[in-house]
Amino acid sequence: DAKTTQPPSMDCAEGRAANLPCNHSTISGNEYVYWYRQIHSQGPQYIIHGLKNNETNEMASLIITEDRKSSTLILPHATLRDTAVYYCIVRVSYNTDKLIFGTGTRLQVFP
Amino acid sequence: SQTIHQWPATLVQPVGSPLSLECTVEGTSNPNLYWYRQAAGRGLQLLFYSVGIGQISSEVPQNLSASRPQDRQFILSSKKLLLSDSGFYLCALRPMGPENTIYFGEGSWLTVV
Repeated sequence: DAKTTQPPSMDCAEGRAANLPCNHSTISGNEYVYWYRQIHSQGPQYIIHGLKNNETNEMASLIITEDRKSSTLILPHATLRDTAVYYCIVRVSYNTDKLIFGTGTRLQVFP
Repeated sequence: SQTIHQWPATLVQPVGSPLSLECTVEGTSNPNLYWYRQAAGRGLQLLFYSVGIGQISSEVPQNLSASRPQDRQFILSSKKLLLSDSGFYLCALRPMGPENTIYFGEGSWLTVV
């Protein structure tokens, strides 16, 4: 099963770009990379996902390396409301469709 | 769009009492459904997942059980709660398809006293 590795915590100044890395060196060719975030006491919120190409939406950008062994979530202009735990997840198996969450990265945005 | 309803939102139960957390979903058919638990200060742990009515897979041994009596209903139960069952319980769904997003409910806080 593909697993992910993320730094436990990061800080970012408000208005700056937050770059959150994730390693998934055992990812399979048909597995997607998903990013979620969780603000305290709330359910996880979907941010973005991708397979091979870089992706961008209104919340963030996802950069996936060519070998797909790592990715980076970019919040272009971090705000205080972006303070949360960010989870990088890979889809484990098409048949069973399980998602395994790691411990995530706690992003603290400061003024 | 898909929506997930979880109830109750908060629950305080004595040790040894039964538990029933309910989750219903709208806006999708034949989704995959999940129960996750998050202990205080820790990551999310997958407890159960279901790919269809009556089909339940358990990820970790525990005194909890899950059932899916209808396509859009997922129930988490226990006959006798333990202190270690305290935590934040999340129901999630994934619509059918190769890359569809997983959506999470707002969660249920369970405190066993």
